[in-house]
Amino acid sequence: GNSVTQMEGPVTLSEEAFLTINCTYTATGYPSLFWYVQYPGEGLQLLLKATKADDKGSNKGFEATYRKETTSFHLEKGSVQVSDSAVYFCALSLNTGNQFYFGTGTSLTVIP
Amino acid sequence: KAGVTQTPRYLIKTRGQQVTLSCSPISGHRSVSWYQQTPGQGLQFLFEYFSETQRNKGNFPGRFSGRQFSNSRSEMNVSTLELGDSALYLCASSLDNLGVNEQYFGPGTRLTVT
Repeated sequence: GNSVTQMEGPVTLSEEAFLTINCTYTATGYPSLFWYVQYPGEGLQLLLKATKADDKGSNKGFEATYRKETTSFHLEKGSVQVSDSAVYFCALSLNTGNQFYFGTGTSLTVIP
Repeated sequence: KAGVTQTPRYLIKTRGQQVTLSCSPISGHRSVSWYQQTPGQGLQFLFEYFSETQRNKGNFPGRFSGRQFSNSRSEMNVSTLELGDSALYLCASSLDNLGVNEQYFGPGTRLTVT
């Protein structure tokens, strides 16, 4: 089947620390991969995406590389800010309709 | 361009009642998906509508239903509410072009069942 596994949270970091949130996937086809972010009281916002192997998605200092050989799409940021505190969701979509499969989310808190 | 809007934002219902939630997609988006978000289960896919037809369906009981109108607006209905239906219900729309379809989410409707 299709599924996404991401690291358990919560994650607490100091400002300017390096962030990695691990995400691995299982897919019956050839998926596109996404990271979404959810700020408190809001819906999900697309953070970045990658559509084929070795693609790197990037946005707002966040990066993730589509690794087909390890079925992974880990999220990284070199220097986190307090404003990055949110819940991060890894997701995959097969290009057959719009059914997305989401991970359980990783809560990040950045302290000054 | 206006984003995805959902109404109402908050709702309190009693067990056994039914509820209807509404979603207006981004202009030009023809696909609308619904998700249930709970602390224990995370984000779970309910169903997707495209051109007024249900195209994909998740693993939820028949008490959960939906529909889509010709203007792509969608409603979801939950009948015979249970306490476990308390959740944030998220709607997402997408263009549905060939290839990758990003989903754009609304702010959600917070349903509390007492």
